[in-house]
Amino acid sequence: KQEVTQIPAALSVPEGENLVLNCSFTDSAIYNLQWFRQDPGKGLTSLLLIQSSQREQTSGRLNASLDKSSGRSTLYIAASQPGDSATYLCAVSGYNKLIFGAGTRLAVHP
Amino acid sequence: GAGVSQTPSNKVTEKGKYVELRCDPISGHTALYWYRQSLGQGPEFLIYFQGTGAADDSGLPNDRFFAVRPEGSVSTLKIQRTERGDSAVYLCASSLATDPSLGEQFFGPGTRLTVL
Repeated sequence: KQEVTQIPAALSVPEGENLVLNCSFTDSAIYNLQWFRQDPGKGLTSLLLIQSSQREQTSGRLNASLDKSSGRSTLYIAASQPGDSATYLCAVSGYNKLIFGAGTRLAVHP
Repeated sequence: GAGVSQTPSNKVTEKGKYVELRCDPISGHTALYWYRQSLGQGPEFLIYFQGTGAADDSGLPNDRFFAVRPEGSVSTLKIQRTERGDSAVYLCASSLATDPSLGEQFFGPGTRLTVL
């Protein structure tokens, strides 16, 4: 059974720092991996999708990498801003579904 | 609208009552998913539709939960005899891909269900 773990569970940093959020999964037989952002009381916003054949994807200050063989993905956030404060969720594609981690709650303070 | 919409945004009900939650997917998306998110957790899969049919309902917790998508667009999640443990945020997602393993899923804002 696929299990997804995200470390750390919570993170508080000053504005301007570069951050790394970690995601690990137990079964390397995935089709893709998605990173989402969730603001309090809101739905999920898709940030990046990495297909299993890809190693990384970039969007603005965000860069996500995928190492299928070791069951790991990282989300790198450059020059963090207070507006980046949210919960970040990673999800791997299983059969007919996404399987989510519990998320990393990020707070960026001025 | 361009995104996935869900109604109502909040639903408060009493234990034992029946509720219906509605999802409007992105126009043209054939795949539709329901997930449930408890406080402090990631979403958990409930059911997946491809067109009008439920292709995978393995995540439904018991027979009190049922979902339909009669015309291949709007979907309704139905919960009978609600219990306090059903309290959660119910999220809907849609995807253009006919292969659920490949497509990017786009989520709605969710319905927060509270069972008193």
